[in-house]
Amino acid sequence: DTEVTQTPKHLVMGMTNKKSLKCEQHMGHRAMYWYKQKAKKPPELMFVYSYEKLSINESVPSRFSPECPNSSLLNLHLHALQPEDSALYLCASEPTPGSRGDEQFFGPGTRLTVL
Amino acid sequence: TQLLEQSPQFLSIQEGENLTVYCNSSSVFSSLQWYRQEPGEGPVLLVTVVTGGEVKKLKRLTFQFGDARKDSSLHITAAQPGDTGLYLCAGFGHSGQAGTALIFGKGTTLSVSS
Repeated sequence: DTEVTQTPKHLVMGMTNKKSLKCEQHMGHRAMYWYKQKAKKPPELMFVYSYEKLSINESVPSRFSPECPNSSLLNLHLHALQPEDSALYLCASEPTPGSRGDEQFFGPGTRLTVL
Repeated sequence: TQLLEQSPQFLSIQEGENLTVYCNSSSVFSSLQWYRQEPGEGPVLLVTVVTGGEVKKLKRLTFQFGDARKDSSLHITAAQPGDTGLYLCAGFGHSGQAGTALIFGKGTTLSVSS
């Protein structure tokens, strides 16, 4: 298995809903990332998990809550989101955090719309 | 703070034309990656350059890494409509840390019309 998968592909939610995004990889990668991306802009880093520990939180509002249950799974729990949170949410993984020449591989993303 | 300046931001060309996208920084990068992304999809890794002066070719795409590892370029020969998309350069910092995130350029939106 050489890919990062994300579910769901699309998600529409109201501002009072609670939902979760899921990311999975079975490549043995030890770093996993959440990014937020607006149209025609580069991805913006949200969270980094390195060896299943949260290592970077880019001052993301608490209405976004990440979770890394094990080395293959990464979740992003959503609660009380705002319409401006509508975006493409990307998950990525990396084999060996901090290794020169390392590469990040992205999932297909979840298109989130907040009404 | 390490930054990647990517240019041009938008490029609209005819099928068969050549083009070059540039990615520049005042900082040294241990490696640079180039991604291509289609609307609504995740970025797909095209290439990673690691060694200063390195040149890599991927069919009609040629990637170069500057000798000082501060800049990179992507050249596409005889562009085709299928090359349309957002091209992103990204790099890890020179020092590298566990879980260090990629630094992205602002992206180049390429449109190739037939």
